[in-house]
Amino acid sequence: QVQLQESGSGLVKPSETLSLTCTVSGVSITTYSWTWIRQPPGKGLEYIGFLFYSGSTNYNPSLKSRVTTSLDTSKNQFSLRLTSVTAADTAVYYCARQRGAPGYFDFWGRGTLVTVSS
Amino acid sequence: DIVMTQSPDSLAVSLGEGATINCKSSQSVLYSSNTKNYLAWYQQKPGQPPKLLIYWASTRESGVPDRFSGSGSGTDFTLSISSLQAEDVAVYYCQQYYSTPQTFGQGTKVEIK
Repeated sequence: QVQLQESGSGLVKPSETLSLTCTVSGVSITTYSWTWIRQPPGKGLEYIGFLFYSGSTNYNPSLKSRVTTSLDTSKNQFSLRLTSVTAADTAVYYCARQRGAPGYFDFWGRGTLVTVSS
Repeated sequence: DIVMTQSPDSLAVSLGEGATINCKSSQSVLYSSNTKNYLAWYQQKPGQPPKLLIYWASTRESGVPDRFSGSGSGTDFTLSISSLQAEDVAVYYCQQYYSTPQTFGQGTKVEIK
């Protein structure tokens, strides 16, 4: 069974960098594409970016200047870094497996709330 | 970006009755070379991640009850629930994956009347 689990800091100060990791089990991350999606409290879903097992990436233009993603195949993990955060970046962050590129999302992590506050 | 617009924003349906959610894209998500519509539907219950229900506009994900069905093509799509159950109370989202950035509708909240 494919499972994903987000981990990382739940509280980040304004202007600092948000860092999250998604640990995948049940399938190798050297297959499929892997995605980050976020959801501000009480609001809808926003695609952040996806990365291929090859390491190539695609980011939402609205966030592209601040986003970096990477793979760690030895740990079966992938990561997200979002720089220069503001209160508008407060959200539940989900990692997900993506079918296709672009594609739909068939397995999701449970999500982790990241709050940006001093 | 392709803008996805759902209607209504919310609806209340009696148990056992049908529910219909509409999703309209600002441009066609039908890829002519393979005649596939790049459109998915998700269900999100409070405190949970979204769950994939439908992809390619009408293909039900494994394990999804057959009371859920998707239809439509081009720019206009529908998610139908044939006989609403209590466990179907949730917010439903459509998503296009025809082009990046992949975009979602704003969500439709389904409640019991």
